Amino acid sequence: DSGVTQTPKHLITATGQRVTLRCSPRSGDLSVYWYQQSLDQGLQFLIQYYNGEERAKGNILERFSAQQFPDLHSELNLSSLELGDSALYFCASSVRADDTEAFFGQGTRLTVV
Amino acid sequence: GQQLNQSPQSMFIQEGEDVSMNCTSSSIFNTWLWYKQEPGEGPVLLIALYKAGELTSNGRLTAQFGITRKDSFLNISASIPSDVGIYFCAGLVSGTYKYIFGTGTRLKVLA
Repeated sequence: DSGVTQTPKHLITATGQRVTLRCSPRSGDLSVYWYQQSLDQGLQFLIQYYNGEERAKGNILERFSAQQFPDLHSELNLSSLELGDSALYFCASSVRADDTEAFFGQGTRLTVV
Repeated sequence: GQQLNQSPQSMFIQEGEDVSMNCTSSSIFNTWLWYKQEPGEGPVLLIALYKAGELTSNGRLTAQFGITRKDSFLNISASIPSDVGIYFCAGLVSGTYKYIFGTGTRLKVLA
C-alpha cells in the first residue's frame, strides 16, 4: 500500500459525459501528479500540482482539468468524454515538487462506452 | 505524446536467468527512474539515477545512467517468478518537473 488513495477504482460512463477522479496523497506529501495509461501503453504525464498550485503541465487535453484543494487532495475532471479516453488514470504524490520518489495510487480504470 | 523507446517490448525467460532491458531517447535527461508495475497496481519505484555514468543496485537489480545521458539500462540477476510485471523507465525532462515514461518491458518468468 503506497498510501495514495484513488477513487473510484472503476468507472464506466457514456461518451459525452463528464467524470471526476479523486486522489488523496500520502500524509505529508504536497505534490500530486496525474498520469494516463492507455491499454498496453506507458504512462503519459498529464499535470502536476504542488501545494495547491499548478506546477507542470504535460499532454493534458483541454477537455481535462485538475485542481488541488487546501487539504491537498486532488481531482481530475474529464469532460465531453470520448471512447479514446478509456484508460487507467494514476495519481502519484511526493513530498516536494522536485522529488524523484513519487508514490503511485492503484489507479482509476475509466471505460467510456 | 512524447515517450522513451524501451526494449525489448516483452521477454519470456526461465527462472534463474539474468535479464537486461534498456531505454533510449533523443533528448538528454537529468534523472532516470526505473519502475515496476504489477497487474492491478500502480508503478513502484525501483531505482533512481541522478548522474551520468552512475551505476546503482537494489538487491538483484542494477541500473545504469548512460554516459550520453540519453539512455539507461536495467539488469535483473537470477530472476524469480515474482519478478513478473511491466518495467518502465522514466526520464526527467531537463529544466522541468515533467517525467517522460518509456513504453514498458513486459517480463514473464517461467518456473
